[in-house]
Amino acid sequence: GAVVSQHPSWVICKSGTSVKIECRSLDFQATTMFWYRQFPKQSLMLMATSNEGSKATYEQGVEKDKFLINHASLTLSTLTVTSAHPEDSSFYICSARWTLATDTQYFGPGTRLTVL
Amino acid sequence: AQKVTQAQTEISVVEKEDVTLDCVYETRDTTYYLFWYKQPPSGELVFLIRRNSFDEQNEISGRYSWNFQKSTSSFNFTITASQVVDSAVYFCALSEASAAGNKLTFGGGTRVLVKP
Repeated sequence: GAVVSQHPSWVICKSGTSVKIECRSLDFQATTMFWYRQFPKQSLMLMATSNEGSKATYEQGVEKDKFLINHASLTLSTLTVTSAHPEDSSFYICSARWTLATDTQYFGPGTRLTVL
Repeated sequence: AQKVTQAQTEISVVEKEDVTLDCVYETRDTTYYLFWYKQPPSGELVFLIRRNSFDEQNEISGRYSWNFQKSTSSFNFTITASQVVDSAVYFCALSEASAAGNKLTFGGGTRVLVKP
């Protein structure tokens, strides 16, 4: 149990385009999902908390108009990087909090975004 | 504010050696949760253990063991008889019960390299 998937696993796009990343909890319902960003050889930085049926809560310094988050169902959250630029290139990881499993966060495999 | 420090950035050992990863945390909450995650080269974070602040019992799971000491605010992780497959980055994380959405704060990670 506690499987979280992400799609796509990697994406290369041109500067100025938008990219959507999906995060799904496959075998449990998650009222809360989280989006993280990880630069090479660094730790995970929380970008935002995604709550099903309500607006996401963004961490300080994260542009909400650039990183659009939608949590339309108990098993799906999406992150859209709008008008991507090379500095947005990074490894994006989502996690889903399994309420029935002592609130532990289970992580997806990550999406590597490269903006040319 | 909560903080997690992993002082060791990288540890290199030879197979079958034991390796201990240090984790020191700071929090003002009396109720909090501590986690260890493993991030192999593939990038996906694998949940290893969750411990709440009221449970100071040490835990052993196969070759893994954890030592939680509230008096020193430490939650150390030992891999016994290391194997090449243990090579990964290991993250210690903290979640405060009072934090909205049970957000995780990660330490900087410790890269473990197990040589054959």
